[in-house]
Amino acid sequence: DAGVIQSPRHEVTEMGQEVTLRCKPISGHDYLFWYRQTMMRGLELLIYFNNNVPIDDSGMPEDRFSAKMPNASFSTLKIQPSEPRDSAVYFCASSSRRRGGYGYTFGSGTRLTVV
Amino acid sequence: DAKTTQPPSMDCAEGRAANLPCNHSTISGNEYVYWYRQIHSQGPQYIIHGLKNNETNEMASLIITEDRKSSTLILPHATLRDTAVYYCIVRKSMDSNYQLIWGAGTKLIIKP
Repeated sequence: DAGVIQSPRHEVTEMGQEVTLRCKPISGHDYLFWYRQTMMRGLELLIYFNNNVPIDDSGMPEDRFSAKMPNASFSTLKIQPSEPRDSAVYFCASSSRRRGGYGYTFGSGTRLTVV
Repeated sequence: DAKTTQPPSMDCAEGRAANLPCNHSTISGNEYVYWYRQIHSQGPQYIIHGLKNNETNEMASLIITEDRKSSTLILPHATLRDTAVYYCIVRKSMDSNYQLIWGAGTKLIIKP
């Protein structure tokens, strides 16, 4: 298994541009999570999906952020328009309740820099 | 979910056992204790979890006190690659609100 795959690994964009982050969860996992990590705020849950359906998006900072999961093997997190304060590492993670709560598997993250 | 308290940083000599403490005095009966670690520039990695019995796997051991108000993660023979931030989290494993609340963790530095 290749694990959770995120792309791109690094993204540098100018303020005001649209940014799309991508995630491929582990096959068979029915939960998918998007996290953001900064030095100031640590790891923050943005949104999570169960069986491709968004369950809790209360962590999404504002309307500039949106996330989709069109099928079980793909999810996107979009920021439009991007702002410098969005600079962070964005992690995707997947899990399965069938594993009996054996934790999440995280991707390697996307480091976003908005200049 | 209950909150946890961890020391911000710890040192350990290479080859020795690293014992990382965690206090979770407000833990409820159906909450599990989870441990993750995050090596620099990588995503967090699941280590181990338990409810009330001590647990051991290929990575570590988890010792939970009888009153469940604290626990210790033990890395039996620490190596330089174990340098990371270690997070202790308590949550209801089967909660429908299936998420983890992350604290600041303990930065463990393994010294040669």
